[in-house]
Amino acid sequence: GEDVEQSLFLSVREGDSSVINCTYTDSSSTYLYWYKQEPGAGLQLLTYIFSNMDMKQDQRLTVLLNKKDKHLSLRIADTQTGDSAIYFCAARANYGQNFVFGPGTRLSVLP
Amino acid sequence: KAGVTQTPRYLIKTRGQQVTLSCSPISGHRSVSWYQQTPGQGLQFLFEYFSETQRNKGNFPGRFSGRQFSNSRSEMNVSTLELGDSALYLCASSGGGADTQYFGPGTRLTVL
Repeated sequence: GEDVEQSLFLSVREGDSSVINCTYTDSSSTYLYWYKQEPGAGLQLLTYIFSNMDMKQDQRLTVLLNKKDKHLSLRIADTQTGDSAIYFCAARANYGQNFVFGPGTRLSVLP
Repeated sequence: KAGVTQTPRYLIKTRGQQVTLSCSPISGHRSVSWYQQTPGQGLQFLFEYFSETQRNKGNFPGRFSGRQFSNSRSEMNVSTLELGDSALYLCASSGGGADTQYFGPGTRLTVL
C-alpha cells in the first residue's frame, strides 16, 4: 500500500523561507495535500495539487511536485512565528480511496 | 458554511468502559472519515463512511466501530477501552470536486 514519508523536524529563522519535503511510494497517487496542525487543534487544509500539475502557488505557499521521483515539497515564503506547527503531507490514489498521511514535520520558527 | 463539529471535545473514561464520539460533517458532504492520533503512532486511519456505508477500513480491532446516519452525521464507538486507546480522535468530512478532507477539532479521549 501507499507509504508517505517526511522529515520530522525543521527549524528556520523568522523571515526566511521554509521548505518541507515529502516522498510517497504509490505512483498512482492522484491527489496530494498539505495540512497544518497547531497545538490542541485539528488539521487545517493548506493546499492540494493534482498529479497532472508540477507546481501550485497560493500566496506565501508554493507546492512543487516531481512525479518521477514521487517527491512533494511545500515552500513557505517569509516564514513567521505563527507558522510554527506540524505540517502533514497526505496522498490519495483515487476518488473514494482513503487518505494516507505522513508522520508530520514539526516546523519551529526562531525569532 | 459551518465547519466539521465533534462532540464531546474532551472525555475521561476508565478501562473496560465504552465510549461514543459524534461528528457532524460540513453541510452537503457525504463522506466522513475517522482517525486516531497519538504521539507514538501519528495519524492512523480508522474508517470512512459514505452514504451510510463503510467504504474504507483501517487496521484496527473490532472494538472500534462506526456508523453514519441519513443526515451524514457519524458516530464512532470504542468498546472495552484500553489504556492505549487514549488519543485525539479526529473526524474529517469530504465532498465536492477535489474531494478534499476537512477536519474537525477532535475529541481528546483519556483512558485511566
